[in-house]
Amino acid sequence: GEQVEQRPPHLSVREGDSAVITCTYTDPNSYYFFWYKQEPGASLQLLMKVFSSTEINEGQGFTVLLNKKDKRLSLNLTAAHPGDSAAYFCAVSPTTGGNNKLTFGQGTVLSVIP
Amino acid sequence: DPKIIQKPKYLVAVTGSEKILICEQYLGHNAMYWYRQSAKKPLEFMFSYSYQKLMDNQTASSRFQPQSSKKNHLDLQITALKPDDSATYFCASSHLGSSYEQYFGPGTRLTVL
Repeated sequence: GEQVEQRPPHLSVREGDSAVITCTYTDPNSYYFFWYKQEPGASLQLLMKVFSSTEINEGQGFTVLLNKKDKRLSLNLTAAHPGDSAAYFCAVSPTTGGNNKLTFGQGTVLSVIP
Repeated sequence: DPKIIQKPKYLVAVTGSEKILICEQYLGHNAMYWYRQSAKKPLEFMFSYSYQKLMDNQTASSRFQPQSSKKNHLDLQITALKPDDSATYFCASSHLGSSYEQYFGPGTRLTVL
C-alpha cells in the first residue's frame, strides 16, 4: 500500500523566517494531496488540497508545491509567525473514485520563536 | 455549532472492558471514517463507511466494530480493550470520492489502564 514519509519530524524557526516541510510518497497512482494543521490538544484543520503539479498560494502565508515526477509534496510557510506553531500533516488519497482512505505522513511539529 | 460531534471527549477504561465511541456529523456528507492517532504511530486509517455500508476496513482486529444506525452516525465499538488501544480516535466525514476533503471531529482520547 501507499507509504508516506514526512520530514523533518521537528522544526524550529524564528518569526518571519520560512519553514519547509516535505513529504514523499510511493504510489504513483496517488492523485489528491492534503495538508492538515493540528494545534496541541485539538483536531485536524484542513489547510489546503492540491492535485496538479503546480504551485499554489492559498493567500494564508502558505505555498504548496507538488512534484508528481519525484512523488514529492512540500509545504512552505513563507513568513512564519507564532500562531503557526502546531503539528502539520500531509495526507495522500488514491485515484480510485470510491475509496477515500487517507494515508498520513508522520507529522512535523513546528515551533515558531518570537 | 460544531459540525462533527464526538462523544465522549475523554474516556478511561480498564483492560478487558468494552466501550463505544460516538460520532455524528451535520455536514450533509455521505461518507464517514475513523482514524486513530497514538504516540507510537502516525494517523492511521481504520474504517470508511458510505450510506451505512462498509467501504474499507484497514483494522486487523475484529475487536473494533463500526456501527452506523443513521447515514450521519458512525460509532466505534471496541471490545476486550488493551492498553495498546490507548489513543485519540478521530471521526471524519466527506462527500464520497477521493477528491473530496475530509473534515475531522474533535476526537475521543481513550486511555486503557
